Amino acid sequence: DAGVIQSPRHEVTEMGQEVTLRCKPISGHDYLFWYRQTMMRGLELLIYFNNNVPIDDSGMPEDRFSAKMPNASFSTLKIQPSEPRDSAVYFCASSLRGVQETQYFGPGTRLLVL
Amino acid sequence: AQKITQTQPGMFVQEKEAVTLDCTYDTSDPSYGLFWYKQPSSGEMIFLIYQGSYDQQNATEGRYSLNFQKARKSANLVISASQLGDSAMYFCAMRESIGNEKLTFGTGTRLTIIP
Repeated sequence: DAGVIQSPRHEVTEMGQEVTLRCKPISGHDYLFWYRQTMMRGLELLIYFNNNVPIDDSGMPEDRFSAKMPNASFSTLKIQPSEPRDSAVYFCASSLRGVQETQYFGPGTRLLVL
Repeated sequence: AQKITQTQPGMFVQEKEAVTLDCTYDTSDPSYGLFWYKQPSSGEMIFLIYQGSYDQQNATEGRYSLNFQKARKSANLVISASQLGDSAMYFCAMRESIGNEKLTFGTGTRLTIIP
């Protein structure tokens, strides 16, 4: 089975531009998570969905960030307008409700905002 | 207070030796799960092993085992017979409460295996 798929793998953009990151979770998983990883702050949970519904977005840094999950197989994380401090690796992960509920991560999108 | 503490920023270990990566956690929740992930230089996060708070036995997955000491709130990862491919960042993480899906990660330990 395919794992979590993220695109693009790398993104370089200029400050002020809109950035859209995409994620396809593992088929059948009912939870989807967006994380950000930086050297300074480590791994931070931004938002997570259950059955396509946002459950907790308390980690979203500010209004410039938004996330959607229009269906069970697709989610987007959008930054508009982007700023240099948004430069980071953004991970998407998915899990299936159960006893263990292990989160499986995608390969990440490395974002550089100039 | 940190919920997950990894006190070893970096470790160097000779190939074929066993290595223990430390992780302590802080929670008042009786039901929680502990996870270890590996992040090689290529960047992906790879799930290694899971331990539930009610599990009676330490979890094992191949060369990985989790030394779970509940009273001490520690969940150390043990890698037996280390290999060069084990060189990576290792993260300990905790999920509190059934129904709460959020993972809290530690700051990680960078493990380097020396040939």
